[in-house]
Amino acid sequence: GAVVSQHPSRVICKSGTSVKIECRSLDFQATTMFWYRQFPKQSLMLMATSNEGSKATYEQGVEKDKFLINHASLTLSTLTVTSAHPEDSSFYICSARPRGTYEQYFGPGTRLTVT
Amino acid sequence: AQSVTQLGSHVSVSEGALVLLRCNYSSSVPPYLFWYVQYPNQGLQLLLKYTSAATLVKGINGFEAEFKKSETSFHLTKPSAHMSDAAEYFCAALSYTGANSKLTFGKGITLSVRP
Repeated sequence: GAVVSQHPSRVICKSGTSVKIECRSLDFQATTMFWYRQFPKQSLMLMATSNEGSKATYEQGVEKDKFLINHASLTLSTLTVTSAHPEDSSFYICSARPRGTYEQYFGPGTRLTVT
Repeated sequence: AQSVTQLGSHVSVSEGALVLLRCNYSSSVPPYLFWYVQYPNQGLQLLLKYTSAATLVKGINGFEAEFKKSETSFHLTKPSAHMSDAAEYFCAALSYTGANSKLTFGKGITLSVRP
């Protein structure tokens, strides 16, 4: 149980285009989802926290207009990187937290490469 | 604010040798503590967690960790390293378990296992 999926696992896009990454909790309802960014050989950096049905809360320094997060249902959150640039290339990981718990379950990550 | 310290960036051991990965937390109130493992291009997998019950916590793949309040530590150990243990390891802390709680990660440490 407690499986989180991400789609796509890898994406390559051209500079200036937008990319959407999906995060799904497959066997539980996630009232809260988290989006992280990870650079090579570095730790996870929390980008934002999203609660179902409300606006995401972004960490300091994260551009909310560039990284659009939508948590439209209890099993799906999306991260859209708008007008992507090469510096947005990174590994993006989501996690989901079931209602009433503190546990976070992590997705397998999405490798974004912007050319 | 909570902080998690993982000293060093790389640990190398021989196959069959003891694995010791160090983690210290900063909070005066013992948080919940976690160890995660990350294999290349994958998400995080929970190895074990401390939630204020037993101070010696056993996890998957033969790993265990001991919570020591006096040392504000939660070091990860495994008696005998296996080649498959080579990965990135992250220690994380959760200061409280409320709705807005967030994990604080250490910077991670790379474990290499020599044949």
